[in-house]
Amino acid sequence: EPEVTQTPSHQVTQMGQEVILRCVPISNHLYFYWYRQILGQKVEFLVSFYNNEISEKSEIFDDQFSVERPDGSNFTLKIRSTKLEDSAMYFCASRGGTSGRALNEQFFGPGTRLTVL
Amino acid sequence: AQKVTQAQTEISVVEKEDVTLDCVYETRDTTYYLFWYKQPPSGELVFLIRRNSFDEQNEISGRYSWNFQKSTSSFNFTITASQVVDSAVYFCALSEGPGNNRKLIWGLGTSLAVNP
Repeated sequence: EPEVTQTPSHQVTQMGQEVILRCVPISNHLYFYWYRQILGQKVEFLVSFYNNEISEKSEIFDDQFSVERPDGSNFTLKIRSTKLEDSAMYFCASRGGTSGRALNEQFFGPGTRLTVL
Repeated sequence: AQKVTQAQTEISVVEKEDVTLDCVYETRDTTYYLFWYKQPPSGELVFLIRRNSFDEQNEISGRYSWNFQKSTSSFNFTITASQVVDSAVYFCALSEGPGNNRKLIWGLGTSLAVNP
């Protein structure tokens, strides 16, 4: 069964550094998402992406964050200058677009654990 | 505003007990979808079920069952004869439709510990 993959599984960085989290969504999916989960807390929506542009972003997704789909397969989340409070698990998800399960269900990657020191 | 409330933060049961995890949601849309995800200690999110707002039939899958009641805006999850492997955090989530976005709005999660 096709799956969403994310790399790296764990990233450790120094405060102020830029990080890029990478995701490969399921190949025929059209909608892409990033979510964040601070340790022990709930999952929070960051951003959704469709047709090569952001369709919605949350208050968390400030100017330090950006997303890109550079080559039609990868979907990346960049944090320009990391802060301590960016330490979290970041989940990528993708969704199909035509009907049934693919229309309504987001498929999640395994997550990238980001640790900012 | 959209909101998902999971009032139970932690539940502890002994193996073979039945346990129900509560989920109450708020939405202004008439079309929406409800989900349950399991997050084991390894951290990944495991999809359990999706239910749309037009289908109030309860569902059973093995030891798992779900009770969707629009009248009380609830979508509760019951594990029958719980097992140690059921120990995890369980999240209820809501997405609204139609439309292209359908972001998921999550509850705080219920941490379930099943003890031998």
